[in-house]
Amino acid sequence: DADVTQTPRNRITKTGKRIMLECSQTKGHDRMYWYRQDPGLGLRLIYYSFDVKDINKGEISDGYSVSRQAQAKFSLSLESAIPNQTALYFCATSDPIGETQYFGPGTRLLVL
Amino acid sequence: TQLLEQSPQFLSIQEGENLTVYCNSSSVFSSLQWYRQEPGEGPVLLVTVVTGGEVKKLKRLTFQFGDARKDSSLHITAAQPGDTGLYLCAGDTDKLIFGTGTRLQVFP
Repeated sequence: DADVTQTPRNRITKTGKRIMLECSQTKGHDRMYWYRQDPGLGLRLIYYSFDVKDINKGEISDGYSVSRQAQAKFSLSLESAIPNQTALYFCATSDPIGETQYFGPGTRLLVL
Repeated sequence: TQLLEQSPQFLSIQEGENLTVYCNSSSVFSSLQWYRQEPGEGPVLLVTVVTGGEVKKLKRLTFQFGDARKDSSLHITAAQPGDTGLYLCAGDTDKLIFGTGTRLQVFP
């Protein structure tokens, strides 16, 4: 089984709708991250959490919110989706030792 | 905002050719990582370089960290179709800053 899972894998929604992307991990890591990937821009950090009570904004947090429900779960919400939020979204975890990031398979989001 | 620029953005080559991908920044990083991402999957770590001037080899892949810890390169010898993918560098400050990516396609 995959260590980092994301649901849904694909989502089409309309402008103005609220949607939630979910991430679960079985690696036992405290640190979790949400990234967005756009062609030619690499991965950009949206939010990150170093433990259940810790939430931090990343480079591009406007229009997004997160919830860390448990050590293993970190969800990303778009309160009112807009077309320029169309992108590939990745969840990741890391262990403080070595700082390797382990990525989920991604969620492809299309906002019409 | 710290930027990591990768070049080239796209690379299309024949099997057996050599190639080099560059990752450049004006910022100093405590370490630098290289990831490879295949379609439909998340990035997977290939290597981490920590010391300025460090060279690491992973089979046909050679990674170098610049002396000033601001840049890095990835050299692939005798590329194979299995090397096809998106290569991302990532510099470590207190968070990882990802590069813009190099999309490599190797044709048989």
